Amino acid sequence: QVRLVESGGGVVQPGMSLRLSCAASGFTFSTYPMHWVRHAPGKGLEWVAVISTDGSNKYYADSVKGQFSISRDNSKNTLFLQMSSLRPGDTAVYYCTRGYSLSWSVAKFDYWGQGTLVTVSS
Amino acid sequence: QSVLTQPPSVSAAPGQKVTISCSGSGSNIGDNYVSWYRHLPGTAPKLLIYDNNKRPSTIPDRFSGSKSGTSATLGITGLQTGDEADYYCGTWDSSLSAGVFGGGTKLTVL
Repeated sequence: QVRLVESGGGVVQPGMSLRLSCAASGFTFSTYPMHWVRHAPGKGLEWVAVISTDGSNKYYADSVKGQFSISRDNSKNTLFLQMSSLRPGDTAVYYCTRGYSLSWSVAKFDYWGQGTLVTVSS
Repeated sequence: QSVLTQPPSVSAAPGQKVTISCSGSGSNIGDNYVSWYRHLPGTAPKLLIYDNNKRPSTIPDRFSGSKSGTSATLGITGLQTGDEADYYCGTWDSSLSAGVFGGGTKLTVL
């Protein structure tokens, strides 16, 4: 069965960096675009970033552009999100989610991880 | 402010039907497929509807979706107390080159 397991969250001070990982199993990881979505306390779901199957296409929400970087290692079935210059407003549960196999520009997210909490606070 | 607009809350009695609207523009809903998700904070969101009106095999036919122009609607019939959750519409925005969600609608089953 499809499984996505995020890790790497924690409590960090403003301005620091953090790298999230998402271990995928139960499907052919290299054939699916992958996305990150976050949920801040008291707010709605916010799409963060997408990466194409081979990593050649990456797109970001305006709120994280230039601050976050998405990447993947298809040999290890793992998705990453490198977050830098973190701000309190980045505090959220971060979910990795599987995209639509035929296009990275289709926002159909059929499997989700349980999420990893990132708290940015001094 | 979310790119897609949903009502903050809806409510109905058990056994009744409810609809949740999602309004966008030509570059998002008007140009792309819409999906709907159920979310209980602290748990993984769940895909209910994709490609405007298709259901994953595990989703009962009490859930339905439709799209017309730049708006989409989620329908839930035979409401149960277990349906209480936050519901989100989502799609791709061709102008932003980004995924977008609605602000979410909290469903209360009275």
